[in-house]
Amino acid sequence: DAGITQSPRHKVTETGTPVTLRCHQTENHRYMYWYRQDPGHGLRLIHYSYGVKDTDKGEVSDGYSVSRSKTEDFLLTLESATSSQTSVYFCAISASPGQGTEAFFGQGTRLTVV
Amino acid sequence: DQQVKQNSPSLSVQEGRISILNCDYTNSMFDYFLWYKKYPAEGPTFLISISSIKDKNEDGRFTVFLNKSAKHLSLHIVPSQPGDSAVYFCAATAAANAGKSTFGDGTTLTVKP
Repeated sequence: DAGITQSPRHKVTETGTPVTLRCHQTENHRYMYWYRQDPGHGLRLIHYSYGVKDTDKGEVSDGYSVSRSKTEDFLLTLESATSSQTSVYFCAISASPGQGTEAFFGQGTRLTVV
Repeated sequence: DQQVKQNSPSLSVQEGRISILNCDYTNSMFDYFLWYKKYPAEGPTFLISISSIKDKNEDGRFTVFLNKSAKHLSLHIVPSQPGDSAVYFCAATAAANAGKSTFGDGTTLTVKP
């Protein structure tokens, strides 16, 4: 199994509070991604990174920010959580996606905003 | 505008028979297409992929077919097994788009014993 871990695995938080999810990899892959999965919507890209300090927005980036200060860590922050951000969040890593290499996914973080 | 569509939310087949999962796309710039399988409470795992310059790729029981003129691909599983019951996602990647993958909404496959 690819070395990718997400923490926490489950979190319940209150509306308006900041939340940070962590993704850690041991594969030294250049690309890292944050997705959210909601019923009927498949996997939607929030943000991604193509190197240390190099990040860009995905299709559903509003309300989220990311940081990547080291190759192995990619943090997703919800500055002020809202109920619409209740979801399952997946981190993924990939070596050379532009050459068709697959992504490896973490186990997911189930976030509930109450 | 959804660029990758899986129009069948669910599919049920008998063990031993063929499962065919379909995926349509709109962006002709996609270079690679990948299928992922997802079990409940787990992350997706890679299953098989195909380059846009190919029309078929086979790996054991799994075969992916690509019809570029129709912008359509399909995943064939033969023979289907109960352990294949999962959600299957189709994904497409464009090298010119920093390798970002666009996913379909998924198809839930149920293989009945």
